[in-house]
Amino acid sequence: AQTVTQSQPEMSVQEAETVTLSCTYDTSESDYYLFWYKQPPSRQMILVIRQEAYKQQNATENRFSVNFQKAAKSFSLKISDSQLGDAAMYFCAFRPNAGGTSYGKLTFGQGTILTVHP
Amino acid sequence: DGGITQSPKYLFRKEGQNVTLSCEQNLNHDAMYWYRQDPGQGLRLIYYSQIVNDFQKGDIAEGYSVSREKKESFPLTVTSAQKNPTAFYLCASRGWLEAFFGQGTRLTVV
Repeated sequence: AQTVTQSQPEMSVQEAETVTLSCTYDTSESDYYLFWYKQPPSRQMILVIRQEAYKQQNATENRFSVNFQKAAKSFSLKISDSQLGDAAMYFCAFRPNAGGTSYGKLTFGQGTILTVHP
Repeated sequence: DGGITQSPKYLFRKEGQNVTLSCEQNLNHDAMYWYRQDPGQGLRLIYYSQIVNDFQKGDIAEGYSVSREKKESFPLTVTSAQKNPTAFYLCASRGWLEAFFGQGTRLTVV
Protein backbone atom coordinates (compact mmCIF):
# COMPACT_ATOMS: atom_id res chain seq x y z
CA ALA A 1 0.00 0.00 0.00
CA GLN A 2 1.16 3.50 -0.71
CA THR A 3 0.95 6.24 1.88
CA VAL A 4 1.78 9.94 1.85
CA THR A 5 2.54 11.79 5.08
CA GLN A 6 2.69 15.52 5.68
CA SER A 7 3.84 16.02 9.25
CA GLN A 8 3.23 19.78 9.43
CA PRO A 9 -0.50 20.56 9.84
CA GLU A 10 0.24 24.30 9.78
CA MET A 11 3.13 26.53 8.76
CA SER A 12 3.57 30.28 8.63
CA VAL A 13 5.98 32.58 6.85
CA GLN A 14 6.61 36.29 6.53
CA GLU A 15 6.03 37.87 3.16
CA ALA A 16 9.20 37.74 1.00
CA GLU A 17 10.74 35.01 3.16
CA THR A 18 11.30 31.34 2.33
CA VAL A 19 9.39 28.37 3.70
CA THR A 20 9.74 24.62 3.25
CA LEU A 21 6.88 22.14 3.47
CA SER A 22 7.70 18.51 4.20
CA CYS A 23 6.34 15.32 2.65
CA THR A 24 7.35 11.69 2.98
CA TYR A 25 5.89 8.71 1.20
CA ASP A 26 6.03 4.97 1.41
CA THR A 27 5.97 2.71 -1.63
CA SER A 28 7.57 -0.37 -3.09
CA GLU A 29 7.33 1.05 -6.59
CA SER A 30 10.40 2.38 -8.40
CA ASP A 31 8.61 4.27 -11.16
CA TYR A 32 6.25 6.98 -9.96
CA TYR A 33 5.34 10.65 -9.98
CA LEU A 34 5.16 13.12 -7.13
CA PHE A 35 3.12 16.31 -7.07
CA TRP A 36 2.42 19.35 -4.96
CA TYR A 37 -1.05 20.84 -5.26
CA LYS A 38 -2.34 24.09 -3.77
CA GLN A 39 -5.89 24.58 -2.53
CA PRO A 40 -6.76 28.25 -1.85
CA PRO A 41 -9.94 29.29 -0.02
CA SER A 42 -11.87 28.88 -3.27
CA ARG A 43 -11.13 25.13 -2.86
CA GLN A 44 -10.01 24.83 -6.49
CA MET A 45 -7.07 22.44 -6.65
CA ILE A 46 -4.11 23.88 -8.56
CA LEU A 47 -0.98 21.99 -9.57
CA VAL A 48 2.14 23.69 -8.23
CA ILE A 49 4.92 21.36 -9.35
CA ARG A 50 5.60 17.75 -10.31
CA GLN A 51 8.60 15.43 -10.17
CA GLU A 52 9.23 12.25 -12.12
CA ALA A 53 11.00 9.69 -9.94
CA TYR A 54 13.43 8.68 -12.69
CA LYS A 55 14.77 12.24 -12.91
CA GLN A 56 17.56 13.05 -10.48
CA GLN A 57 17.30 16.78 -11.05
CA ASN A 58 14.93 18.57 -8.70
CA ALA A 59 11.97 20.26 -10.38
CA THR A 60 11.66 24.05 -10.31
CA GLU A 61 8.78 26.32 -11.28
CA ASN A 62 9.58 30.00 -10.74
CA ARG A 63 9.55 30.56 -6.94
CA PHE A 64 8.67 26.92 -6.23
CA SER A 65 11.24 24.16 -6.06
CA VAL A 66 11.43 20.68 -4.60
CA ASN A 67 14.05 18.66 -2.78
CA PHE A 68 13.49 15.09 -3.97
CA GLN A 69 15.38 12.45 -1.99
CA LYS A 70 14.39 9.12 -3.54
CA ALA A 71 16.30 6.88 -1.15
CA ALA A 72 14.80 8.66 1.85
CA LYS A 73 11.37 8.83 0.16
CA SER A 74 11.18 12.51 0.89
CA PHE A 75 9.71 15.25 -1.30
CA SER A 76 9.75 18.74 0.24
CA LEU A 77 8.47 21.94 -1.35
CA LYS A 78 10.38 25.22 -1.00
CA ILE A 79 8.57 28.48 -1.63
CA SER A 80 10.91 31.44 -2.08
CA ASP A 81 9.96 35.12 -1.84
CA SER A 82 6.60 34.18 -0.33
CA GLN A 83 3.62 36.23 -1.42
CA LEU A 84 0.23 36.79 0.20
CA GLY A 85 -1.34 34.84 -2.64
CA ASP A 86 0.63 31.76 -1.62
CA ALA A 87 -1.59 31.35 1.45
CA ALA A 88 -3.46 28.08 0.97
CA MET A 89 -3.54 24.44 1.92
CA TYR A 90 -0.79 22.49 0.19
CA PHE A 91 -1.07 18.81 -0.62
CA CYS A 92 1.64 16.36 -1.55
CA ALA A 93 0.52 13.53 -3.86
CA PHE A 94 1.94 10.27 -5.22
CA ARG A 95 1.05 8.18 -8.26
CA PRO A 96 2.74 4.94 -9.38
CA ASN A 97 3.51 4.64 -13.06
CA ALA A 98 3.89 0.88 -13.27
CA GLY A 99 1.46 -1.93 -13.82
CA GLY A 100 -0.09 -3.69 -10.87
CA THR A 101 -3.01 -3.29 -8.54
CA SER A 102 -2.14 0.31 -7.65
CA TYR A 103 -1.45 1.52 -11.16
CA GLY A 104 -2.82 5.00 -11.59
CA LYS A 105 -3.89 5.37 -7.97
CA LEU A 106 -3.37 8.99 -6.95
CA THR A 107 -2.86 9.31 -3.19
CA PHE A 108 -2.75 12.58 -1.26
CA GLY A 109 -1.27 13.56 2.08
CA GLN A 110 -3.21 15.24 4.86
CA GLY A 111 -2.25 18.74 3.79
CA THR A 112 -0.36 21.69 5.30
CA ILE A 113 -2.09 25.02 5.87
CA LEU A 114 0.29 27.83 4.93
CA THR A 115 -0.27 31.30 6.37
CA VAL A 116 1.63 34.25 4.91
CA HIS A 117 2.06 37.28 7.18
CA PRO A 118 2.47 40.74 5.62
CA ASP B 1 -13.36 25.61 -22.74
CA GLY B 2 -11.87 22.26 -21.78
CA GLY B 3 -12.28 21.22 -18.21
CA ILE B 4 -14.09 19.25 -15.56
CA THR B 5 -17.60 20.10 -14.47
CA GLN B 6 -19.10 18.95 -11.23
CA SER B 7 -22.74 19.47 -10.44
CA PRO B 8 -24.47 20.56 -8.41
CA LYS B 9 -22.23 22.85 -6.39
CA TYR B 10 -24.37 22.36 -3.27
CA LEU B 11 -26.52 19.31 -2.52
CA PHE B 12 -28.77 18.48 0.38
CA ARG B 13 -29.86 14.97 1.19
CA LYS B 14 -32.26 13.55 3.68
CA GLU B 15 -31.08 10.68 5.79
CA GLY B 16 -31.75 7.32 4.15
CA GLN B 17 -31.73 8.68 0.60
CA ASN B 18 -29.32 7.90 -2.19
CA VAL B 19 -27.90 10.84 -4.10
CA THR B 20 -25.78 11.06 -7.25
CA LEU B 21 -23.01 13.58 -7.87
CA SER B 22 -22.19 14.39 -11.47
CA CYS B 23 -18.71 14.68 -12.96
CA GLU B 24 -18.15 15.39 -16.65
CA GLN B 25 -14.88 16.10 -18.47
CA ASN B 26 -14.11 17.14 -22.04
CA LEU B 27 -10.35 16.76 -21.76
CA ASN B 28 -10.35 13.32 -23.43
CA HIS B 29 -8.75 11.83 -20.32
CA ASP B 30 -8.93 8.10 -19.67
CA ALA B 31 -8.46 8.24 -15.89
CA MET B 32 -10.94 9.77 -13.46
CA TYR B 33 -11.08 9.98 -9.67
CA TRP B 34 -13.43 10.78 -6.79
CA TYR B 35 -12.18 12.19 -3.49
CA ARG B 36 -13.79 13.13 -0.24
CA GLN B 37 -12.51 16.07 1.82
CA ASP B 38 -13.63 16.72 5.39
CA PRO B 39 -13.05 20.11 7.08
CA GLY B 40 -9.34 20.77 7.50
CA GLN B 41 -8.52 17.33 6.18
CA GLY B 42 -6.74 15.85 3.22
CA LEU B 43 -8.23 14.20 0.16
CA ARG B 44 -9.27 10.59 0.63
CA LEU B 45 -9.74 8.46 -2.47
CA ILE B 46 -13.19 6.90 -2.89
CA TYR B 47 -13.04 5.32 -6.36
CA TYR B 48 -10.94 5.67 -9.47
CA SER B 49 -11.24 4.54 -13.05
CA GLN B 50 -8.44 4.01 -15.53
CA ILE B 51 -10.67 3.33 -18.52
CA VAL B 52 -14.29 3.07 -19.61
CA ASN B 53 -16.22 0.19 -18.02
CA ASP B 54 -13.54 -0.34 -15.38
CA PHE B 55 -13.04 1.13 -11.91
CA GLN B 56 -11.30 0.30 -8.65
CA LYS B 57 -12.11 0.94 -5.02
CA GLY B 58 -10.06 3.55 -3.27
CA ASP B 59 -9.38 3.81 0.43
CA ILE B 60 -12.92 4.68 1.60
CA ALA B 61 -15.29 3.05 -0.93
CA GLU B 62 -17.83 1.72 1.58
CA GLY B 63 -21.22 3.37 1.13
CA TYR B 64 -20.38 4.70 -2.34
CA SER B 65 -20.83 3.40 -5.87
CA VAL B 66 -19.71 4.58 -9.31
CA SER B 67 -20.15 3.78 -12.97
CA ARG B 68 -18.01 4.54 -16.01
CA GLU B 69 -20.15 3.92 -19.07
CA LYS B 70 -18.72 6.84 -21.02
CA LYS B 71 -15.24 8.28 -21.16
CA GLU B 72 -16.55 11.74 -20.33
CA SER B 73 -18.62 10.83 -17.29
CA PHE B 74 -17.89 9.34 -13.87
CA PRO B 75 -20.92 9.79 -11.57
CA LEU B 76 -20.68 9.02 -7.86
CA THR B 77 -23.65 7.72 -5.89
CA VAL B 78 -23.67 8.24 -2.15
CA THR B 79 -25.89 5.49 -0.78
CA SER B 80 -27.83 5.28 2.46
CA ALA B 81 -25.13 2.89 3.67
CA GLN B 82 -22.72 5.81 3.99
CA LYS B 83 -23.27 6.82 7.61
CA ASN B 84 -21.50 10.17 7.55
CA PRO B 85 -21.84 11.56 4.03
CA THR B 86 -21.63 15.28 4.83
CA ALA B 87 -18.41 16.41 3.15
CA PHE B 88 -16.87 18.18 0.17
CA TYR B 89 -16.48 15.91 -2.86
CA LEU B 90 -13.89 16.48 -5.57
CA CYS B 91 -13.72 14.84 -8.97
CA ALA B 92 -10.55 14.76 -11.06
CA SER B 93 -9.41 13.51 -14.41
CA ARG B 94 -5.89 12.72 -15.44
CA GLY B 95 -4.03 12.94 -18.69
CA TRP B 96 -0.52 11.68 -19.18
CA LEU B 97 0.89 13.32 -16.08
CA GLU B 98 -1.06 15.49 -13.68
CA ALA B 99 -4.68 15.44 -12.59
CA PHE B 100 -7.12 18.29 -13.11
CA PHE B 101 -9.91 18.94 -10.66
CA GLY B 102 -13.49 20.11 -10.76
CA GLN B 103 -14.88 22.83 -8.51
CA GLY B 104 -16.33 20.32 -6.06
CA THR B 105 -19.75 19.49 -4.63
CA ARG B 106 -20.66 20.26 -1.05
CA LEU B 107 -23.03 17.53 0.22
CA THR B 108 -24.98 18.10 3.41
CA VAL B 109 -27.30 15.63 5.11
CA VAL B 110 -30.36 17.32 6.61
